[in-house]
Amino acid sequence: AQRVTQPEKLLSVFKGAPVELKCNYSYSGSPELFWYVQYSRQRLQLLLRHISRESIKGFTADLNKGETSFHLKKPFAQEEDSAMYYCALSGWTGGGNKLTFGTGTQLKVEL
Amino acid sequence: GAVVSQHPSRVICKSGTSVKIECRSLDFQATTMFWYRQFPKQSLMLMATSNEGSKATYEQGVEKDKFLINHASLTLSTLTVTSAHPEDSSFYICSTFLGTEAFFGQGTRLTVV
Repeated sequence: AQRVTQPEKLLSVFKGAPVELKCNYSYSGSPELFWYVQYSRQRLQLLLRHISRESIKGFTADLNKGETSFHLKKPFAQEEDSAMYYCALSGWTGGGNKLTFGTGTQLKVEL
Repeated sequence: GAVVSQHPSRVICKSGTSVKIECRSLDFQATTMFWYRQFPKQSLMLMATSNEGSKATYEQGVEKDKFLINHASLTLSTLTVTSAHPEDSSFYICSTFLGTEAFFGQGTRLTVV
C-alpha cells in the first residue's frame, strides 16, 4: 500500500524565515513524489516533482530514499507562500497509476 | 497547458435529490479520471477511478450506488450523487494524468440542505 504522511497540519513562520514542510512516504516500488499547492479559492496545482529537480518559486524538495522523505524547503518565506501544501505520491497499483495525498500542511507566513 | 474543467463550481440541492457533476478535459483525451472528495482542511480522499468505456473502480468504503460515475467519452466523466443527504456535503474534485503530471478541476462545492 502507498501512504504519505505530513505530520504538521499548520506551520506558521515569519516572513523571511526558512520554511520546511515535512513529508514521509511508504511505497514498495520506486515512487514519484510531488508537491501540490492550493492557494485560497484556487484549484490544486503542481508545485514541483522530484524527477525534475527544479526550484519553483524558491521551493526545493529532495527525495531521500533512505529516510523515505520528500521535505519541501524554502530559505526565505514570503507572504504569498501562505497556502495549503500537499505532498503526493504517484505509484502503480493493480488498477493503474494512482495519486495518494498526504493530509496537507497549512503554511501561514506572518509579517 | 492541459486544462480540466469541472462544472458546476457550486451547487445547493435538497435532501433526497440527485446532483450531477461534470469533468471535462479541454485539450486532450483523458482515458482515466479520478474523483476525490475533500473535507474542510483535510486531504483529498480518492473515491473512484473512472475509465472510458468501462466500469469505474471504487475505493473501499465508497458506495457505488450512491456515487454513480460515467465516463462515456474521452473528454467527459460525470459523478452523480444520488439521493443526496446532508452528510454528502463536501468538495468534490476531479483529476486526470497527462503523462506523469496530474491536472485538477476547480472543484465542486456541494451543499445538501
